[in-house]
Amino acid sequence: GENVEQHPSTLSVQEGDSAVIKCTYSDSASNYFPWYKQELGKGPQLIIDIRSNVGEKKDQRIAVTLNKTAKHFSLHITETQPEDSAVYFCAAGYSGGGADGLTFGKGTHLIIQP
Amino acid sequence: NAGVTQTPKFQVLKTGQSMTLQCAQDMNHEYMSWYRQDPGMGLRLIHYSVGAGITDQGEVPNGYNVSRSTTEDFPLRLLSAAPSQTSVYFCASSYNAVGAYEQYFGPGTRLTVT
Repeated sequence: GENVEQHPSTLSVQEGDSAVIKCTYSDSASNYFPWYKQELGKGPQLIIDIRSNVGEKKDQRIAVTLNKTAKHFSLHITETQPEDSAVYFCAAGYSGGGADGLTFGKGTHLIIQP
Repeated sequence: NAGVTQTPKFQVLKTGQSMTLQCAQDMNHEYMSWYRQDPGMGLRLIHYSVGAGITDQGEVPNGYNVSRSTTEDFPLRLLSAAPSQTSVYFCASSYNAVGAYEQYFGPGTRLTVT
């Protein structure tokens, strides 16, 4: 089955700086890579996703890059703000079949220092 | 739309007791799943369903049962609670059975087994 590794487990950055979270996956058949943000006491919420036919996707201050050859993908947050403080999860899945959904990384606790 | 709802929000059980965690969605999603979240372990899939009447096991199914009699509801049953089942439980749903679409998560149920 798929295995997703996520690093770092905790990331502390100064407000206004950039943050980068990295994930690797093991199954070359995976072709869907979402990122979820979980605020304290809430369920995870999708913030951005990318499919394997695209190398990069941006949405305002958030971007995701995908390297299929190396089987890794990254989340980039620029101009970080206090409300970016949360736990972030990467995940990998296959849209062409198989119903067991997504495999999640263990999460990164992002702390934005004022 | 209410999205994905879960009840109860908090529950304390004694070892050996049974209970049902409720999950409902009003988005007419085919795919529903249950995850448990433990510190440092990320989200692990317990059971999933690709449609009414169809369920299957995920990564950590032991000690849990599920059923899917309607599209909207997907309850999770703990038959004989054990301290190892202390966790936060999330129900999720998505449009498509193959799982490579946005998953919408409920707010979670925090379960403590003493």
